[in-house]
Amino acid sequence: GQQLNQSPQSMFIQEGEDVSMNCTSSSIFNTWLWYKQDPGEGPVLLIALYKAGELTSNGRLTAQFGITRKDSFLNISASIPSDVGIYFCAGAVYGQNFVFGPGTRLSVLP
Amino acid sequence: EAGVAQSPRYKIIEKRQSVAFWCNPISGHATLYWYQQILGQGPKLLIQFQNNGVVDDSQLPKDRFSAERLKGVDSTLKIQPAKLEDSAVYLCASRKPAGGVEQFFGPGTRLTVL
Repeated sequence: GQQLNQSPQSMFIQEGEDVSMNCTSSSIFNTWLWYKQDPGEGPVLLIALYKAGELTSNGRLTAQFGITRKDSFLNISASIPSDVGIYFCAGAVYGQNFVFGPGTRLSVLP
Repeated sequence: EAGVAQSPRYKIIEKRQSVAFWCNPISGHATLYWYQQILGQGPKLLIQFQNNGVVDDSQLPKDRFSAERLKGVDSTLKIQPAKLEDSAVYLCASRKPAGGVEQFFGPGTRLTVL
């Protein structure tokens, strides 16, 4: 079946730094989602992307739908301690359910 | 509005025992999902309901897992008998009818099988 890869697996950054992570697939997707999961909680949707090349922001977060439709990117600017968590990408083809990546674990050092 | 409710939050059982998880979706959300999230992995869809009908259960291990949503509102996921590899967080999510792609997740039930 379809599988997603996320890079990096984990990252440690200093508060105030910018963060970049990506998600890649061997298959084409029509929709990309980015979620954040805090410990002991379910994932919460951050950004949804619907068109190749689309760039969408949500506060300090910016995500892009890759031109090839096989990848997506998430950037966080000026990180703060509450950005700590696991970031998941999810992709879907029309009419099918979303497939989730394995996640990128972000730690922010004060 | 209240979020997706799940219970119990934690469960520890021995292998070969049975266990059931309960989910109450957000009011009015016709679509309900059960996911399995093994430690270090992303959520994996087990089953999707639309009202009280099953839409997708292609990844549900039907020899031991079952789920129902009899009245189209709350849902139960059962494992019988449990195996060690079933240790995971079981997440329930719901989505509005014609509500776009956003799924609202509950806090999950963490299952440990000894």
